[in-house]
Order: sequence, then C-alpha cells, then structure tokens
Amino acid sequence: EIVLTQSPATLSLSPGERATLSCRASQSVSSQLAWYQQKPGQAPRLLIYDTSNRATGIPARFSGSGSGTDFTLTISSLQPEDFAVYYCQQRSSWPQITFGQGTRLEIK
Amino acid sequence: QVELVESGGGVVQPGRSLRLSCAASGFTFRNYGMHWVRQAPGKGLEWVAVISYDGRDKYYRDSVKGRFTISRDNSKKTLYLQMNSLRADDTAVYYCAKDFAMMDPSLYFDLWGRGSLVAVSS
Repeated sequence: EIVLTQSPATLSLSPGERATLSCRASQSVSSQLAWYQQKPGQAPRLLIYDTSNRATGIPARFSGSGSGTDFTLTISSLQPEDFAVYYCQQRSSWPQITFGQGTRLEIK
Repeated sequence: QVELVESGGGVVQPGRSLRLSCAASGFTFRNYGMHWVRQAPGKGLEWVAVISYDGRDKYYRDSVKGRFTISRDNSKKTLYLQMNSLRADDTAVYYCAKDFAMMDPSLYFDLWGRGSLVAVSS
C-alpha cells in the first residue's frame, strides 16, 4: 500500500497569506494525485486532480504541483472560506486507493 | 439538482449486518463508476470499495474483503453497500462518491453525499 504523508499536520495562517501544503508518497505515484477540501460537518470537495488540474468551479488561487513522490497544494491568497482540512489522495496503486492523514489549515 | 443521498446507517452490534443505500439524482448514474469512502470519528478518509458503471467490476480494500459487498441498480439510480460481520473498527461515516470520469473510472471523486453514520457497538 502506498502511504501518503502530509505536512504540516496543522498550518496557522492569516487571510491574505500564501499557504503551502505538502504531500509525500512512500513510492512514486507519477502524477496520479488529487487534493480535497473538507469543512466541518461537510463532505469533501475535489479541488485538484492529476497533480495540477483544477476541478470545475475551483478558484484560480488553488494550484497543485509536483511529480513522483513530492506534491504541493498552494493557495495563493487565503480567503476566510479556505480554512478547512485538506487531504491528498493517490490512485496509482489501483485498486488500493489511499489518502493522506490531512492538513488542518486554521486561522492565525 | 446533482446530489447523492445516503441512508441506512445506525447503531449495530458487532457481528451483525447493515445495508447502506445511496440515491443519485441530477446526472446519468449508469455512466459512472461509484465508490464508498468512510471516515472514522475524528480521523481521515479511507476508500472502501468501487463498482464499475455497469456493475461488472468490483474492488475492495483488503480489510473489508469477504465482509462487504458493493452493488448498484441503474434502473433505480441507487448504489448499495452490504456490510456483514461488522466490527468496532468499521465505525465511521460512510460516504458514497461519484467517480470523476465517465465509463472507465478515474478513481477520483467529484461528487459526494453527506454521509451516513455506522456505529458498531455492543
């Protein structure tokens, strides 16, 4: 099973700041990685797929990069509604899909 | 309106069974693979199972193989998860999720239900 490790566990930033979230895979997943946002009491929302493609309706301030084992989700200028938990997910080891443990983005 | 609505969760004793349902609307259900993903209280997300758009292919995470069965009824636009021999570590909110791609699954999830809580406890 491919293990995804997200860092940091918690990130404290202020609105308007830039957020950089990391996801590291235990072995290469090529570019087969997605990012999701989850707010309390809500279902997750797909933000990015295949490393860098924004899903429908996702603002341009969200961007993804990386390849192989190291990936980054960047939020260029944090808005109040961006404070949430973010998960990465790989599909490379089909059918054993795995998620990272999550990064909590909180208001400083 | 495009949505998924789960039902069938509840409190169940260890070793017993439960069946979850997920009603789809607002998209052509029969064209998409469907998944179940769960989240234990205060924990992260865990993929459980996938079924192909036509129901022919099914895959499971190792810990539920032989106990859980995913199925679908395209005429009713409904996805199911039959859970047998339930254990305490199956306690979670169970989400049904639509695959991002039509026909061949992309294994990304672009529409999620609100979830159904399954609590396994004596």
